[in-house]
Amino acid sequence: GNSVTQMEGPVTLSEEAFLTINCTYTATGYPSLFWYVQYPGEGLQLLLKATKADDKGSNKGFEATYRKETTSFHLEKGSVQVSDSAVYFCALKFQGGSEKLVFGKGTKLTVNP
Amino acid sequence: DAMVIQNPRYQVTQFGKPVTLSCSQTLNHNVMYWYQQKSSQAPKLLFHYYDKDFNNEADTPDNFQSRRPNTSFCFLDIRSPGLGDAAMYLCAISGGLVNEQFFGPGTRLTVL
Repeated sequence: GNSVTQMEGPVTLSEEAFLTINCTYTATGYPSLFWYVQYPGEGLQLLLKATKADDKGSNKGFEATYRKETTSFHLEKGSVQVSDSAVYFCALKFQGGSEKLVFGKGTKLTVNP
Repeated sequence: DAMVIQNPRYQVTQFGKPVTLSCSQTLNHNVMYWYQQKSSQAPKLLFHYYDKDFNNEADTPDNFQSRRPNTSFCFLDIRSPGLGDAAMYLCAISGGLVNEQFFGPGTRLTVL
């Protein structure tokens, strides 16, 4: 079946540190890949996406590249801020209205000043 | 402007007392989803509507029901809430050429 595996958290960094959150997937076919972010007490916000191999999604300084050969979609940011503290979810979805989002378990990031 | 609106943001109910959560959208997307999210977990899909077609997940308890009276609104009914139903309930939408799902801010349900 389809699944997403994220690195275990929590992750604690100092401000301006480099961030990597690993995400790998297993899927039959070629899904779209997403990173969602959830701030405390809020819903999920779409952070970035990629729809095909070698696509790079980027937003707010975060980047992730769809790597078909390694079935990965790692999230990176060159310099994190305290305001980036949140839970990050990697997810995949196939095209089609009834297709489901398959989530990873989430990675909690805390950035200290 | 918010695309997915959920009311109320916080809901307290008593054990066994029916409760209804509301979701509305401003984009007229044809798919609406309800998720349950417990602390430190990923959201769990309960069911979704594709237009008027209701699609229940196999492991969603019968205690959870949903209604979609029109394109814009969708309701989650919990017929007899138990303590284990305390969670964040998230509504999401998708549709057309848009593949991603957009989530609302959620309703935090407390069961006393």
